Amino acid sequence: DMKVTQMPRYLIKRMGENVLLECGQDMSHETMYWYRQDPGLGLQLIYISYDVDSNSEGDIPKGYRVSRKKREHFSLILDSAKTNQTSVYFCASSLAGNTGQLYFGEGSKLTVL
Amino acid sequence: AQSVTQPDARVTVSEGASLQLRCKYSYSATPYLFWYVQYPRQGLQLLLKYYSGDPVVQGVNSFEAEFSKSNSSFHLQKASVHWSDSAVYFCALSMYYNQGKLIFGQGTKLSIKP
Repeated sequence: DMKVTQMPRYLIKRMGENVLLECGQDMSHETMYWYRQDPGLGLQLIYISYDVDSNSEGDIPKGYRVSRKKREHFSLILDSAKTNQTSVYFCASSLAGNTGQLYFGEGSKLTVL
Repeated sequence: AQSVTQPDARVTVSEGASLQLRCKYSYSATPYLFWYVQYPRQGLQLLLKYYSGDPVVQGVNSFEAEFSKSNSSFHLQKASVHWSDSAVYFCALSMYYNQGKLIFGQGTKLSIKP
């Protein structure tokens, strides 16, 4: 069905709590991404995963970690969330070696109080 | 460093009017260029892409974009907008060696007046 699914869509956490954002795709894409979107800044790449257990830092990895144990599933973890991590997080996927054609999920809005 | 700039944070046009959304990039070689659209409460969707060849590329919903190497630009155009075109539009750049990593502009919010 060519879909990227993100859960949860909305999340409110207190500062210092742990956060788990999950992403699944049904296209068997090798490459998956986590971006965050902030007003006036566009999208910034947090992590990229080229396949199971093959993850690479993006432009803003500090404060985040990822896990990819199955090709179709990619998780973003915030250990001890901070208020400046309040944002909308997008997961995306693409074919291996792809030059920029990504499929995006609908986003997960995280508020850290 | 590579970058993408969308100089207009907001653009308002009347329904039926023509549209141009501006995008400038900074990259020493020829990049791969994209326009993505984000409708309210949704993820980004690809509108069109440029890899090489004809500098005018066609996309979905009658959008097109023109690549200009001399001006380092990739402006998005549409001859006649519809109210359903209201969305945020992102220009993005990828380098061929960068394995799919996209550099996004800040986005332009398009509003359509009835």
